[in-house]
Amino acid sequence: NAGVTQTPKFRVLKTGQSMTLLCAQDMNHEYMYWYRQDPGMGLRLIHYSVGEGTTAKGEVPDGYNVSRLKKQNFLLGLESAAPSQTSVYFCASSYETGQNSPLHFGNGTRLTVT
Amino acid sequence: QQPVQSPQAVILREGEDAVINCSSSKALYSVHWYRQKHGEAPVFLMILLKGGEQKGHDKISASFNEKKQQSSLYLTASQLSYSGTYFCGTTLSNDYKLSFGAGTTVTVRA
Repeated sequence: NAGVTQTPKFRVLKTGQSMTLLCAQDMNHEYMYWYRQDPGMGLRLIHYSVGEGTTAKGEVPDGYNVSRLKKQNFLLGLESAAPSQTSVYFCASSYETGQNSPLHFGNGTRLTVT
Repeated sequence: QQPVQSPQAVILREGEDAVINCSSSKALYSVHWYRQKHGEAPVFLMILLKGGEQKGHDKISASFNEKKQQSSLYLTASQLSYSGTYFCGTTLSNDYKLSFGAGTTVTVRA
C-alpha cells in the first residue's frame, strides 16, 4: 500500500519557468491538500480539495493553481516560478475533514527557483 | 490563523521529560499532533477532539483544554527516537482546514 506518492522529489527551476507537481493517493480519500514548508514557519496550506472536481484556496494560494480531475490525483501548478516559491511542498490526504481525521503526507518535493 | 507553539526548541537527555504547548486565539474544535524527522514527511501521532480528552501513544501523551484554547504534548522518559520536530495542527468549529504551528524541535541526547 503506497499511501501518498509525490513526484518529482527534487526540481530546480529558473525564474519564469512553469511546472506541475503530481500527488497520487491510493486510500480512496476524499480530501486532499497541498502545503508548503519553509524554515521557522511550519506548514502553510496552499490549496485543497474536498472531492473530485473541486478545489479551494488555502492560506497562501497566490502564484499556484491546482486541479483534481480524478479522485486519486491532485496536481499543483506553478505558471511562472519565482524565487519566493523555493520551498518544500507536501501533499496530504484525509478520509474525512481535518476536524476528525488524520492527514497522511507524501514524502515531499524540494523545489529550488533560481 | 496559525496556532502558537512553545518552546521553539528543547534539548533532553534520554529518560527526561518535556512538555510542548500549542495555543490559539480562537475556539478550537480539534488538535492534531505530528512528528517530522529531518528530511522526511510529518507523521501523525494523535488527534484530540473538543471535550477535554487526553490521549496517549506509548510514552507520548497529549491533553486538550478547549476553554483555554490550548493543547499540550507530553514526552515522558524520552528516547533517542523521540528526536524530531513536533507540529500541532488545529481546526475550528466553522473551519475544518488544518492550520499548523511553527513547530518545536526536540533533540534527545544519550
